[in-house]
Amino acid sequence: KAGVTQTPRYLIKTRGQQVTLSCSPISGHRSVSWYQQTPGQGLQFLFEYFSETQRNKGNFPGRFSGRQFSNSRSEMNVSTLELGDSALYLCASSLGTGRGFGTEAFFGQGTRLTVV
Amino acid sequence: GDSVTQMEGPVTLSEEAFLTINCTYTATGYPSLFWYVQYPGEGLQLLLKATKADDKGSNKGFEATYRKETTSFHLEKGSVQVSDSAVYFCALFSGSARQLTFGSGTQLTVLP
Repeated sequence: KAGVTQTPRYLIKTRGQQVTLSCSPISGHRSVSWYQQTPGQGLQFLFEYFSETQRNKGNFPGRFSGRQFSNSRSEMNVSTLELGDSALYLCASSLGTGRGFGTEAFFGQGTRLTVV
Repeated sequence: GDSVTQMEGPVTLSEEAFLTINCTYTATGYPSLFWYVQYPGEGLQLLLKATKADDKGSNKGFEATYRKETTSFHLEKGSVQVSDSAVYFCALFSGSARQLTFGSGTQLTVLP
């Protein structure tokens, strides 16, 4: 069974640009969550999508957005990049339903975004 | 809100030493508890989990017991190996927040 695939693995962008990251979940998983990991703030929840709908959102500015497609693949977009957006962005895949929602989260390898 | 407090690192041990990484939590209701491990340049791997009080999660020689009375989920291993060197994260998932809340992570280095 293929794992969670995130592309690209590495990105370098300039301040003010925008960026789109992609996540393909495990087959059959309908929930995709996104997390930001930085040395200073640790792991922080961005948002969660389930069946193409945003079901939960963390405390991030509106520059951070996402979407999910009918095949459960998800993208997140960051507009008007700032230096502080440099981070490892992790995607987590899960079934998304029932009590099992919180017990079967599998992470991708992440996308390392560097803003210069 | 939910929170996880994790033992500060870094932790350096000799091979075959005993490992304990402390983790305590604050959450409403009955959260599920997890330990994740992150190797350099990689994402997070689920190490073990426990979904209710007194459950013991175990994997690859690591163990942790869900203690509701002390709101703790300490990670232990009887004999660490060099290959266990990584960053370990304690996390919880609560139905109310519907997201994983992570501790700050503990860097473990095991020396031969």
